[in-house]
Amino acid sequence: QKEVEQNSGPLSVPEGAIASLNCTYSDRGSQSFFWYRQYSGKSPELIMFIYSNGDKEDGRFTAQLNKASQYVSLLIRDSQPSDSATYLCAVNSRSSASKIIFGSGTRLSIRP
Amino acid sequence: EPEVTQTPSHQVTQMGQEVILRCVPISNHLYFYWYRQILGQKVEFLVSFYNNEISEKSEIFDDQFSVERPDGSNFTLKIRSTKLEDSAMYFCASRVDGRDQPQHFGDGTRLSIL
Repeated sequence: QKEVEQNSGPLSVPEGAIASLNCTYSDRGSQSFFWYRQYSGKSPELIMFIYSNGDKEDGRFTAQLNKASQYVSLLIRDSQPSDSATYLCAVNSRSSASKIIFGSGTRLSIRP
Repeated sequence: EPEVTQTPSHQVTQMGQEVILRCVPISNHLYFYWYRQILGQKVEFLVSFYNNEISEKSEIFDDQFSVERPDGSNFTLKIRSTKLEDSAMYFCASRVDGRDQPQHFGDGTRLSIL
């Protein structure tokens, strides 16, 4: 079982709509969850992080966490063409105080 | 806004040669990391460094790899004898104290082994 799983996409969403990106993780002891955005050939850029069950909103972005279901999601409201990128879900490892484990990413395409 | 800086942006090296990738973490950060991303694959953890020593390393980080913080600002990754399969993007990251704090990434070094 993969440690962090994401649908690879591509996920195509019309401009102005809500994009919903999902991620599941296998380590039930994980405590912190991160969403990074990665444009092609660029480095991961932190978008959101969440620690507690429920929703966390920051501008057009909302992260949702359900530890019982081992599920974390990212909603992007009013999607813009500039949101077209690969979104990486990352989870800290319970066995480690250091590293985070990345999923393979979901490629999001916003069509005008 | 403070950022992690990496040099060079692109390094081309002959197989078997040594290469050093350099990073300047954000100044008040205490934990430093190297990750790599082979083209088309996911970001993989290599090593973490805290209090002037390695705190964790992955299976990828074998005897050919080493890290060093030679002064108060730089953090380096050395690959002693490069292989073709070392070709990848190498990202440096850093974070403040606090286990759950997010890691901030540099722009990366693209390493090409010929």
